[in-house]
Amino acid sequence: LAKTTQPISMDSYEGQEVNITCSHNNIATNDYITWYQQFPSQGPRFIIQGYKTKVTNEVASLFIPADRKSSTLSLPRVSLSDTAVYYCLVGDENNFNKFYFGSGTKLNVKP
Amino acid sequence: DAGVIQSPRHEVTEMGQEVTLRCKPISGHDYLFWYRQTMMRGLELLIYFNNNVPIDDSGMPEDRFSAKMPNASFSTLKIQPSEPRDSAVYFCASRLGAGETQYFGPGTRLLVL
Repeated sequence: LAKTTQPISMDSYEGQEVNITCSHNNIATNDYITWYQQFPSQGPRFIIQGYKTKVTNEVASLFIPADRKSSTLSLPRVSLSDTAVYYCLVGDENNFNKFYFGSGTKLNVKP
Repeated sequence: DAGVIQSPRHEVTEMGQEVTLRCKPISGHDYLFWYRQTMMRGLELLIYFNNNVPIDDSGMPEDRFSAKMPNASFSTLKIQPSEPRDSAVYFCASRLGAGETQYFGPGTRLLVL
């Protein structure tokens, strides 16, 4: 089971770039790395997914080194509305019994 | 699309009572998932369906929990009898096909007294 390790919490200020790193030492060859965002009283929401190198979309970037044992979610110029819990997941989307959300990283963006 | 719909949004019940949670997945999605979220254990996958058929229920905590999906647009998660330790937020999610992302519903907040 490819579990993940993330910081429990992080603080940032509006306008800053935030980088959240996730460790996944036991990642398997078929595993993808997926990040979700969860606001209070809502279900998790997909942010970004990648397999290796770098992936970028309109919301975030995901950096994955060659050994894939870690990944970094980068949020450019955060705002107060980015305050949420961010989950790093590692797994094969075809084997859900191996999906593990963990406790996530609580990002607190201050004015 | 309205997204994944769950009902009720909040449920308060007494220990020993039967609780039924409902979920309507996004139209056309062929996978449906039930999760439970607590402070202690985080977000746990309970069971998932593919084309209305239960594929993996290894996350269901015990026999008091059961889930059904009678058709492509409806699923239920039932707890009978309920216990205080079942208090949690229960999420339903759906997705279209393999390799795609999951879309979560707003959740049902359950409190068992």
